[in-house]
Amino acid sequence: GENVEQHPSTLSVQEGDSAVIKCTYSDSASNYFPWYKQELGKGPQLIIDIRSNVGEKKDQRIAVTLNKTAKHFSLHITETQPEDSAVYFCAASGDSWGKLQFGAGTQVVVTP
Amino acid sequence: DVKVTQSSRYLVKRTGEKVFLECVQDMDHENMFWYRQDPGLGLRLIYFSYDVKMKEKGDIPEGYSVSREKKERFSLILESASTNQTSMYLCASSGTSIRETQYFGPGTRLLVL
Repeated sequence: GENVEQHPSTLSVQEGDSAVIKCTYSDSASNYFPWYKQELGKGPQLIIDIRSNVGEKKDQRIAVTLNKTAKHFSLHITETQPEDSAVYFCAASGDSWGKLQFGAGTQVVVTP
Repeated sequence: DVKVTQSSRYLVKRTGEKVFLECVQDMDHENMFWYRQDPGLGLRLIYFSYDVKMKEKGDIPEGYSVSREKKERFSLILESASTNQTSMYLCASSGTSIRETQYFGPGTRLLVL
């Protein structure tokens, strides 16, 4: 089955700097790659996703890139703000039921 | 506004007790999921359901069962709780498209003593 690895496990950045989280996946059939943000005391919430026919997608300060050949995808957050502090999860899916395989998560801390 | 609710935010149970975790969604979604979240392991799928009375095992179904009698409600059952089932449990729902967003509830933190 699919296996998703996520790095780093923790990331501390100064406010205004950029943050990058990287994920690799094992199943070449995977074609959908969402990113979720989990704030303290809440369930994960989708922040951006990318399909396999797209190499890059941007939404304001957040961008995701996908390299299908290398089987890795990354989340980029620019101009980080304190409210970006959270746990971020990458996921991959190629399953007909829409099942997601999640990475282990990255704790991002943005310090003022 | 989409909503997934879970019956309890915190639960404390004794080893051997039968535990019910309830999840309700108001989006008329066909798919519902139960995950377990542990530090360093991410979210792991326990069971999912793609229709009423239908269920499929996820990656870690051992020690758990589920029930889906109504479309909006998906229950996770621990037949005989054990200490290694102490964890955060998250419920999610989605539509039927392969790339549908999964919407999560706030989670239930279960402590088994």
